[in-house]
Amino acid sequence: ETGVTQTPRHLVMGMTNKKSLKCEQHLGHNAMYWYKQSAKKPLELMFVYNFKEQTENNSVPSRFSPECPNSSHLFLHLHTLQPEDSALYLCASSQAGPLSEKLFFGSGTQLSVL
Amino acid sequence: QKEVEQNSGPLSVPEGAIASLNCTYSDRGSQSFFWYRQYSGKSPELIMSIYSNGDKEDGRFTAQLNKASQYVSLLIRDSQPSDSATYLCAVNMNYGQNFVFGPGTRLSVLP
Repeated sequence: ETGVTQTPRHLVMGMTNKKSLKCEQHLGHNAMYWYKQSAKKPLELMFVYNFKEQTENNSVPSRFSPECPNSSHLFLHLHTLQPEDSALYLCASSQAGPLSEKLFFGSGTQLSVL
Repeated sequence: QKEVEQNSGPLSVPEGAIASLNCTYSDRGSQSFFWYRQYSGKSPELIMSIYSNGDKEDGRFTAQLNKASQYVSLLIRDSQPSDSATYLCAVNMNYGQNFVFGPGTRLSVLP
């Protein structure tokens, strides 16, 4: 496989469920990201990991919990979500460095919270 | 608050015409600028990056940057129906990892 792979592609969950989104990048990059894309709104940065260390956390509610065990894998653990959390969740990766930061996105997970 | 603004459209152009997409940004310290294309139901795909004032051409695409005016644009020559998509402008300040995206402009190329 090449690029950035996300699973699952679609997820429907109740407000009391616990689920996890998975992302894997095969590009040799050292930074990974979670973005949220809601209808009619710009892409929102949620979390950034650089060399496995979290460097950005844009005031995301604690019901979203990221995990980055190594530079190639990223997880987003979900629990007690709200219906307004329904959105497309995109994972991305980049290679940190001057003028080399370009985001490459996975296919996304379309999440519906009932 | 860092902001990136785009006209949401839809922008409709006939096949073969030039499509012009515009983006303004609020952070004068921004250093890197990107255009992404997003088809409906798909993830964003990088089509152009630009770092210096002036024009950068890649095939039918030309990115234009004017840092003094805090303005970046994308021109698509000989537009094709397959170019119909939402185009996202993204700005990155100081080579960090805080990419800020605009809301996107929806382009429709009419056969």
